[in-house]
Order: sequence, then C-alpha cells, then structure tokens
Amino acid sequence: SQTIHQWPATLVQPVGSPLSLECTVEGTSNPNLYWYRQAAGRGLQLLFYSVGIGQISSEVPQNLSASRPQDRQFILSSKKLLLSDSGFYLCAWSVPNRYQYFGPGTRLTVT
Amino acid sequence: LAKTTQPISMDSYEGQEVNITCSHNNIATNDYITWYQQFPSQGPRFIIQGYKTKVTNEVASLFIPADRKSSTLSLPRVSLSDTAVYYCLVGILTGGGNKLTFGTGTQLKVEL
Repeated sequence: SQTIHQWPATLVQPVGSPLSLECTVEGTSNPNLYWYRQAAGRGLQLLFYSVGIGQISSEVPQNLSASRPQDRQFILSSKKLLLSDSGFYLCAWSVPNRYQYFGPGTRLTVT
Repeated sequence: LAKTTQPISMDSYEGQEVNITCSHNNIATNDYITWYQQFPSQGPRFIIQGYKTKVTNEVASLFIPADRKSSTLSLPRVSLSDTAVYYCLVGILTGGGNKLTFGTGTQLKVEL
C-alpha cells in the first residue's frame, strides 16, 4: 500500500531563517506531487505541483520554492522566512487521473 | 477552475443523515467532483468522487443532477467522529497535475 510521510511535524523558526520541509511517498512510482498551505481557519492553497523529477510548476509567486530531486521526494524550501509563511503545510500525491492523497502535514510557526 | 459554493457550517445530531450541498455553476465538461474530509491539524482525507448521477461507497453517497451544476454529499447516520470540515472540489483529472481549488469548506458539527 502507498504511504506519504512529512517531516518535521511541527517547526518554529525565526523570521529570516531558512526552511526545508520534506515529503516522501512510498509504494508508488512516478506520482504527481503537490505542496499546499493552509492558513488558520482557511482552505488549502496550492503552492507547487510536480509531474516528474525536476519538473516543478508554481501556482502562487511567493517566498517559497520547491524541488523534486528524486521520483518520490518533494522538498519545500525558503531562503528567508517571513511571518506570513506561518501555516499548515501539506504534501499530497496522486497518480494521473486519480484523486489526491494527503500527508499528515507540518505546522510551521514563524516568530 | 470551477468555483464552488457550500454552506459555511451545519449542525446535526448523532444517528441523523446529513446532506451537504455544493454549488458549481460553471463546471466544465471534463470536471470531476470530489469531496474531502479534514479533521483539525490533519491532512484532508478523500471521501468520494463522481462525474454524474449517483456514486456510493462505504462511507458516503454523492448525488449529482443531470446538469451537474451542484452536488450533494450524503453522510448516513452520522456520529460524533464525523465532526470535521468537508470540502467540495471541482477539477479535471489529467495526466499532468490535477490542480484542485479548496474553498473554506463546510464545518459539520455533530452533537449527542
């Protein structure tokens, strides 16, 4: 069966510090991968998606970037965090023409 | 991407059937309708997906009228553990990234 992992589960970072969130998927090959952000009390906002290694599409111009160095690994990064980057970050995967499965999420607080 | 409208909140009692309706007037021909459930501090969980008519699985039913401009998620005999936010999404499923737009969802509260 397929599983999706995200780490860390929670993170507190000062403004201006770098960020690296990792997502890995097991039990499937060549998945579509997604990064979402959810602000408190809000819906999910799609940040990036990837259909293959090194292929990243950005949905919202911002302080973040994404990379996919391996088939089942998706990384969300920032060089300098802003207060507005705080939120609940979710990674998801899907196979083509199917719905998305979400990971457990990372709670990021920028102080 | 088709915009969806659903009630902000709903209240129910244990054992009742709950119907959450989602409006998506500008749904496109290739769009599917998908519902997710989200508990606090967890990732959304897939509930059900459909294109037209009725779809049923072990946890819910999805009713889609012929014009597909709305859909209704039906949860039979809800329990306290069904208290969650429910999202209706409309989007195409393609070989590439199937981009979905999440609204604010419907907060369902189930009481004894």
